[in-house]
Parts: sequence; structure tokens; C-alpha cells
Amino acid sequence: ETGVTQSPTHLIKTRGQQVTLRCSSQSGHNTVSWYQQALGQGPQFIFQYYREEENGRGNFPPRFSGLQFPNYSSELNVNALELDDSALYLCASSPTAMNTEAFFGQGTRLTVV
Amino acid sequence: KNEVEQSPQNLTAQEGEFITINCSYSVGISALHWLQQHPGGGIVSLFMLSSGKKKHGRLIATINIQEKHSSLHITASHPRDSAVYICAVTAFQGAQKLVFGQGTRLTINP
Repeated sequence: ETGVTQSPTHLIKTRGQQVTLRCSSQSGHNTVSWYQQALGQGPQFIFQYYREEENGRGNFPPRFSGLQFPNYSSELNVNALELDDSALYLCASSPTAMNTEAFFGQGTRLTVV
Repeated sequence: KNEVEQSPQNLTAQEGEFITINCSYSVGISALHWLQQHPGGGIVSLFMLSSGKKKHGRLIATINIQEKHSSLHITASHPRDSAVYICAVTAFQGAQKLVFGQGTRLTINP
């Protein structure tokens, strides 16, 4: 039990739609990072939030956006869904921005049809 | 070339065998992580290393900072060890993000 909860666990969306994925971190964890894991691949960094501000971004287009809230929850929003967005989306929280210790949620599996 | 490379990509062994999974990286790091991922997706952190060696039960992780190499060993392997094992590094690249290897799929047969 990592104390990091993601919802929903599974989701099916149609191409062109928008989706919001949610992550609830451990209390006191000021940093949350989001990763995309395509089938058979390692996770890829999408972005990181530290104290409600974006603190770094990977090679993902602007239609991937996020929010972090004071209650240690966060959201990943994806607009104009494409078939290639089908993946497992993982959030990981850390007590500091140094990410030297990361706690992962169980992931949300998104399927775009 | 990926910044974090694991080998082998797939490994099948018999119960009781000694298992070694290797990880090499090419970036400056502040820590290296070994993670376990079971079917269904959830990731569990096994070890976080910045130097030397750590042991937890039947699992041992080592890191050689000079050679930029780490190994994960499993002694007396068991079918419940079957999972994907992922090496990830905390990289000095702006935000302290994790950079992941592609994972090693381990299957332990009874």
C-alpha cells in the first residue's frame, strides 16, 4: 500500500474526446509526477507539479495538461484524444521535488477507440 | 539509444534459480530505483540506491556509480516473483524526473 490512489482504474474514450485522470497523493507529498506507459514500454515522463506549479515537462504536446491542488490531489487532462494516447497512466508522489523517493499509484488504463 | 538500458528484456527460469537483471545508464543521477510491476499495472518500489548495496529478503540490489551500472538479484526464485522489473534513475535534467528502462519480464516456472 503506497498511499497513492488513482481513479478511474480503467477508462474507454472515443478519439477526439477529452479525459481527466485523478491522483490522490499521501499527505505532505508536495510533488506529483505523471507518466505514460505504452504497452511493452517503460513509463515516459509527462510532467511534474510541485506546490501547485508545473515544475518540469517531458516531450508531450500541450493537449496534455495538469493541475495540482492544496489537498495533495492532482489531475491529468488530455484533450483531443488520439488512438496513440491509449496507455497506462501512472502518477507518483514524493515528499520533495528531488524525487529521490517516489510512491506510485496503481495506474489508470486508458483505451482510445 | 535509451538513457537507461536493461538486460535481458525477457527471462524465464525455474523455481529456485538465482536471477540477475542488469541496468546501465548514461546520465548523471542522484538515485537509482528498482521497481516491480505486476499485471494490472501497479508499480511497487523495491529499492532506492545511490551507492553500494541493499538487501531486502531474497532481493539484493547493487550499484557501481563509476561504471553507471546496477544489478538486481533474486535468490531462491519463486513463481510469485514473476513480474516486470523496471530500473529507473532520478536524473539531473531540470525537474528531478524519473527516467525508466524498458523493463525485464521475469517468469519463474514451478
